[in-house]
Amino acid sequence: GDSVTQMEGPVTLSEEAFLTINCTYTATGYPSLFWYVQYPGEGLQLLLKATKADDKGSNKGFEATYRKETTSFHLEKGSVQVSDSAVYFCALTGTASKLTFGTGTRLQVTL
Amino acid sequence: GAGVSQSPSNKVTEKGKDVELRCDPISGHTALYWYRQSLGQGLEFLIYFQGNSAPDKSGLPSDRFSAERTGGSVSTLTIQRTQQEDSAVYLCASSLAQGRIGTEAFFGQGTRLTVV
Repeated sequence: GDSVTQMEGPVTLSEEAFLTINCTYTATGYPSLFWYVQYPGEGLQLLLKATKADDKGSNKGFEATYRKETTSFHLEKGSVQVSDSAVYFCALTGTASKLTFGTGTRLQVTL
Repeated sequence: GAGVSQSPSNKVTEKGKDVELRCDPISGHTALYWYRQSLGQGLEFLIYFQGNSAPDKSGLPSDRFSAERTGGSVSTLTIQRTQQEDSAVYLCASSLAQGRIGTEAFFGQGTRLTVV
């Protein structure tokens, strides 16, 4: 079945550092790929998405590119802020539209 | 409603009692998901509905857990004979299911269940 693997956390960075959170997937065909974010005390919300190979999703300075050749959808940001501290979840919808999540990666940004 | 609504927002129950958790999805969303999130843990998939049918209920932890969806809308997750390990935040999400070109899922605020 479909699955998503993302890097273990927590990830601790200083403000203005470069961020990469790795995400790889297993799915048949051409899934849609998502990054969701959960800020402290808040519900999950969509951060960005990509629906076909080579698409780049972007939002709030975050980017991720759908790489079918490497089955990856790594999340990047050039300069993180303290307000980016949250848990980030990679996800996909594949066969039958089921939404499958990775285990989440906690990001802690310090001054 | 404007978003996914879950009730109650908090539930404290005694061990051994049954609980019902309700999810009211966004109108018109055919896909509905239940997840469980324990403290400091990731999202544990429970069950997925497409309309009123559940193509995938593989995540239900035991036969004490059941869920139904009626009228392609409201869903109820029932936990019988609750145990302390059932304590978690139960999240519901809904989306427009469009095959593999999936639209985003919208999440409710969750029900925090505490079994004492």
